[in-house]
Amino acid sequence: DAGITQSPRHKVTETGTPVTLRCHQTENHRYMYWYRQDPGHGLRLIHYSYGVKDTDKGEVSDGYSVSRSKTEDFLLTLESATSSQTSVYFCAISYTNSSTNEKLFFGSGTQLSVL
Amino acid sequence: KNEVEQSPQNLTAQEGEFITINCSYSVGISALHWLQQHPGGGIVSLFMLSSGKKKHGRLIATINIQEKHSSLHITASHPRDSAVYICAAPGSGAQKLVFGQGTRLTINP
Repeated sequence: DAGITQSPRHKVTETGTPVTLRCHQTENHRYMYWYRQDPGHGLRLIHYSYGVKDTDKGEVSDGYSVSRSKTEDFLLTLESATSSQTSVYFCAISYTNSSTNEKLFFGSGTQLSVL
Repeated sequence: KNEVEQSPQNLTAQEGEFITINCSYSVGISALHWLQQHPGGGIVSLFMLSSGKKKHGRLIATINIQEKHSSLHITASHPRDSAVYICAAPGSGAQKLVFGQGTRLTINP
């Protein structure tokens, strides 16, 4: 599992409150990603990071911000949660091994409900 | 329009049947991923392939770069193969994957 842990696993919050999800990895991989998964849609990229303090937007980045102050942690923040952000959030990492095969690992997901 | 399309969206079969799930993509790619998501929600990478065929146990993945098409086959299917199977290909940026909507496979005993 490449040592990925997401926290919390479940969260219920109210509209307008800030929420931070944490993704932690233990193997110092460079690339980390935040996705959301909704019925009728494939996994959609919110933000990704290619190093400490190096981040970029994905296709559904509005309403989300990220930070990566350490290699091992990639934080996703909803500054003011809305009901449309109710979703399952997945963190992922990728790396290329010595055989030039790209490896992709996902965290266990966070079920976020915004009421 | 999603750049990655999967078919079928849902597939129900009897134990032992040979299963094929298809993935078509509209962008030129260097590699394609097949993932498995179990009912509990966890996502596991099955294959990354850039040409030809890969096999792992009863799972076989093939890709035809010219036709922009990949297939995932399961031989001697078993109820424990019931899951959502997802393909993903690089999108506009090298590190941005575009995911298909998934194929929900149910294998009945």
